[in-house]
Amino acid sequence: EPEVTQTPSHQVTQMGQEVILRCVPISNHLYFYWYRQILGQKVEFLVSFYNNEISEKSEIFDDQFSVERPDGSNFTLKIRSTKLEDSAMYFCASSTETGGGKNGYTFGSGTRLTVV
Amino acid sequence: KQEVTQIPAALSVPEGENLVLNCSFTDSAIYNLQWFRQDPGKGLTSLLLIQSSQREQTSGRLNASLDKSSGRSTLYIAASQPGDSATYLCAVTNYGGSQGNLIFGKGTKLSVKP
Repeated sequence: EPEVTQTPSHQVTQMGQEVILRCVPISNHLYFYWYRQILGQKVEFLVSFYNNEISEKSEIFDDQFSVERPDGSNFTLKIRSTKLEDSAMYFCASSTETGGGKNGYTFGSGTRLTVV
Repeated sequence: KQEVTQIPAALSVPEGENLVLNCSFTDSAIYNLQWFRQDPGKGLTSLLLIQSSQREQTSGRLNASLDKSSGRSTLYIAASQPGDSATYLCAVTNYGGSQGNLIFGKGTKLSVKP
């Protein structure tokens, strides 16, 4: 079964530092997403990406965040100048169609980001 | 604005029991609804996807139903096992501008006792 792969599984960073979270979506998927889940809270949408550009972003996804598809396989989330409140589990997801289509969304196992 | 609510927040049942998890959404103009399982500290595993034109989907001991007009979905788990213990999340996507955006409920934490 194809998987979405995320690295690292856990990242600890100091407040104010920049972090890059990495994802390898499923190879034939065209739509890529980042979500986050603060401990004890709902999973929240951050951004969707299609055809090498952002197609939608939430209010959370401000200038501190950026996404990139640097090559044909990786999809990254960069968080600049991290804050304590950025501590969360970050999930990457991908799909064949917008809205999930017939097959829905496939999520990775997440990166737990801890800002100290 | 679409809101997804899951009831109950937590459920504890003895092994072997059949159970129902509930999900409700405020805007019936959904594109699809997806149920996920989340183990503690882990990722989201897709269980079932119901497209807006469908009424139910089945996979093994799981059956999910969708009633768009009333804004409800249920996840039925038959003959529950301790290995079913996890948090179950319901999520919808809407038609229109936010079609790429999955909106999640907070989940139902299920504990199945041996």
